[in-house]
Amino acid sequence: KQEVTQIPAALSVPEGENLVLNCSFTDSAIYNLQWFRQDPGKGLTSLLLIQSSQREQTSGRLNASLDKSSGRSTLYIAASQPGDSATYLCAVWGNYGQNFVFGPGTRLSVLP
Amino acid sequence: NAGVMQNPRHLVRRRGQEARLRCSPMKGHSHVYWYRQLPEEGLKFMVYLQKENIIDESGMPKERFSAEFPKEGPSILRIQQVVRGDSAAYFCASSPPTGLQETQYFGPGTRLLVL
Repeated sequence: KQEVTQIPAALSVPEGENLVLNCSFTDSAIYNLQWFRQDPGKGLTSLLLIQSSQREQTSGRLNASLDKSSGRSTLYIAASQPGDSATYLCAVWGNYGQNFVFGPGTRLSVLP
Repeated sequence: NAGVMQNPRHLVRRRGQEARLRCSPMKGHSHVYWYRQLPEEGLKFMVYLQKENIIDESGMPKERFSAEFPKEGPSILRIQQVVRGDSAAYFCASSPPTGLQETQYFGPGTRLLVL
């Protein structure tokens, strides 16, 4: 059974800092991994999707890496801004599954 | 093109009542997924439906919960005889009939509070 964990659970940083969010999964037989952003009272927005054959994906100030063999992914946010404050969720799609398995999320606060 | 719509956005029920949550997928999407998010936890898959068919309900509690996606109209997640532990945010996502199922678009969620 796939399990996804994320550390830290919460993070508070001053504006401008670079930061790394971590995601671990127990079963390396994944089809892809996605990072989502969740704002309070709203739905999820997909940020980056990494296929199992890829090592990383970049979008603007965001960079996500994937090490499938070790069951790890990181989300790197450069030059953080207060608007980045949200909960970041990592989710994996298994080779055999028809649904996402989500991590519990990292709650990020970027202080002005 | 409107996104995934869910209503109501907030729902308050007393123990023992029924809760009906509705999800209208994006136009042209025929796959619907329901997830539940308990406080301070990640989203947990509940059920995957296509029009008039339940494809995977492995995440759905065996009792009191049911889901449908009729040929016409929204998908409905029904919770009978609600208990306090059902208090959570329920998210619906949809994906197009062809292509990658993991390209899911999420609705804003329904926050259910059971008193």
